[in-house]
Amino acid sequence: DTAVSQTPKYLVTQMGNDKSIKCEQNLGHDTMYWYKQDSKKFLKIMFSYNNKELIINETVPNRFSPKSPDKAHLNLHINSLELGDSAVYFCASSQGRGLNYGYTFGSGTRLTVV
Amino acid sequence: AQSVTQLDSHVSVSEGTPVLLRCNYSSSYSPSLFWYVQHPNKGLQLLLKYTSAATLVKGINGFEAEFKKSETSFHLTKPSAHMSDAAEYFCVGPSDGNEKLTFGTGTRLTIIP
Repeated sequence: DTAVSQTPKYLVTQMGNDKSIKCEQNLGHDTMYWYKQDSKKFLKIMFSYNNKELIINETVPNRFSPKSPDKAHLNLHINSLELGDSAVYFCASSQGRGLNYGYTFGSGTRLTVV
Repeated sequence: AQSVTQLDSHVSVSEGTPVLLRCNYSSSYSPSLFWYVQHPNKGLQLLLKYTSAATLVKGINGFEAEFKKSETSFHLTKPSAHMSDAAEYFCVGPSDGNEKLTFGTGTRLTIIP
């Protein structure tokens, strides 16, 4: 059983489209995250939810909107996609706020905007 | 401000020789620190974590790291490199305010046959 699963694994779409990436964890963790990895492999946190409550909201364009229907799911919706949104997006989860336990990551969604 | 600094963006070692990947942290207390590995086109896997129980931490695949408060370092080592160790390695620690974990910029490890 996959601990943190993301769908889709690959996403190719045109500029201006709206797309969603879904994430689910079956670890019973309270906190979930979205990270963006750019072409230089740099990982930057975007959002974090703890028990469905938004606790971290980094400087991210408001075209990006996370949604957490329950503590096992954290989806990412992106409006009006731009070329610069091309990246690998990782979902992660942790017990508590992750500071002592670290994160468990999904396998990533490679988004390509053309 | 960056909480962890990876000192080398790229390290190359020959197969069978020791591996040293360097990470310094900036904190006024003993933080929780982690090393993650990312193999090409794969997700991130936790190698090991330090949470102040013991300064020498053993991880998976023969890796270990030593927390040295006097040097504010948490370097990752392995006695003998294997071809399968070729990957990107990330040192991770808490950011200012201690609300989230921040990734270092990564060290790409290349193994020479």
